[in-house]
Amino acid sequence: QKEVEQNSGPLSVPEGAIASLNCTYSDRVSQSFFWYRQYSGKSPELIMSIYSNGDKEDGRFTAQLNKASQYVSLLIRDSQPSDSATYLCAVNRGYSTLTFGKGTMLLVSP
Amino acid sequence: GAGVSQSPSNKVTEKGKDVELRCDPISGHTALYWYRQSLGQGLEFLIYFQGNSAPDKSGLPSDRFSAERTGGSVSTLTIQRTQQEDSAVYLCASSRGPNNEQFFGPGTRLTVL
Repeated sequence: QKEVEQNSGPLSVPEGAIASLNCTYSDRVSQSFFWYRQYSGKSPELIMSIYSNGDKEDGRFTAQLNKASQYVSLLIRDSQPSDSATYLCAVNRGYSTLTFGKGTMLLVSP
Repeated sequence: GAGVSQSPSNKVTEKGKDVELRCDPISGHTALYWYRQSLGQGLEFLIYFQGNSAPDKSGLPSDRFSAERTGGSVSTLTIQRTQQEDSAVYLCASSRGPNNEQFFGPGTRLTVL
């Protein structure tokens, strides 16, 4: 089983809709979780971090963490074409380094 | 303040040559990381520096790869006798400390001919 798994996509949503991105991880001792956005040809940009079970909201973004199910998700409300990018889920297993999923490509159509 | 900077932004080299990639972390960040991203692949951890502690080199793919961090700030990743499979984007990130949010630089795109 891969350490951090994401559906590669592409996930296509119309402008204004909610995009839901999912990530599962295999190591139960994982402590902190991050979502990065990566535009084509650019480096990853941190958009959300979450450390405890439940929801964390920041503007149009909501991260959800369920440690019992080893599942973390990112919701993007009112999706915009500028949100079209690859979203990377990253997990810190307590050793300081991050383990990344391969990312989900999101396409938001006008 | 200024973000993580990396140089050069692009590097084209011939197989067998040595290359040096530089990373300047965010001021005050004690942790520095190197990753690489190959075309269509995920990010692969290479090496981690935290303060004056011995670096975590567990991700280095071969002994051709080495890195140092001088004065707890700037880091240099060196690849000796480059091979075509070394072609990738090399990304540097820094954080306030271990387990904190990591912020990435723009990367260095390395092409080995």
